[in-house]
Amino acid sequence: QKEVEQNSGPLSVPEGAIASLNCTYSDRGSQSFFWYRQYSGKSPELIMFIYSNGDKEDGRFTAQLNKASQYVSLLIRDSQPSDSATYLCAVAPYNFNKFYFGSGTKLNVKP
Amino acid sequence: GAGVSQSPSNKVTEKGKDVELRCDPISGHTALYWYRQSLGQGLEFLIYFQGNSAPDKSGLPSDRFSAERTGGSVSTLTIQRTQQEDSAVYLCASSPQRNTIYFGEGSWLTVV
Repeated sequence: QKEVEQNSGPLSVPEGAIASLNCTYSDRGSQSFFWYRQYSGKSPELIMFIYSNGDKEDGRFTAQLNKASQYVSLLIRDSQPSDSATYLCAVAPYNFNKFYFGSGTKLNVKP
Repeated sequence: GAGVSQSPSNKVTEKGKDVELRCDPISGHTALYWYRQSLGQGLEFLIYFQGNSAPDKSGLPSDRFSAERTGGSVSTLTIQRTQQEDSAVYLCASSPQRNTIYFGEGSWLTVV
């Protein structure tokens, strides 16, 4: 079983819609949760992180964490074609000795 | 510069040759990570350095791979006797202690 699971997609949404990306993790001891965006041929860039149960909003992005269900999600409101990329979920334990990455969900936002 | 710097950005090498990949982390970041990403695949953890502590080498795929970090700053990842399956992008990331990691642009390695 992989540490972090994501649906590979592609997830296609029309411009202006809400994109919902999901991630589950296996280690209940995980403390910190991250979403990265990776454009083709580029390195991952941080979108946002969340440490506590509930929602965290940053502009058009909302991260949601449910530790009881071992589930993390990312909502992108008013999706734009420039949001088309692969979104990576990452999980870190308390000592941050490694970040476990999912294989990513490819998002296509159609104009 | 302000970000994580990696060199070379691209490297083509013949099978059996040794290669060295360099990473210069963000100034003041105590933690440094190496990851590998093969084409169309996820990120594979290789090694973690934190300050002066012994590195976590649990992700190194074979004894052909080694890494060091000198003076708590620059790191070098060395691959000996390269094989075609070593072809990938090698990503370095750094972090202030126990915090988010920031990636460099990667070193694209092709073994022919």
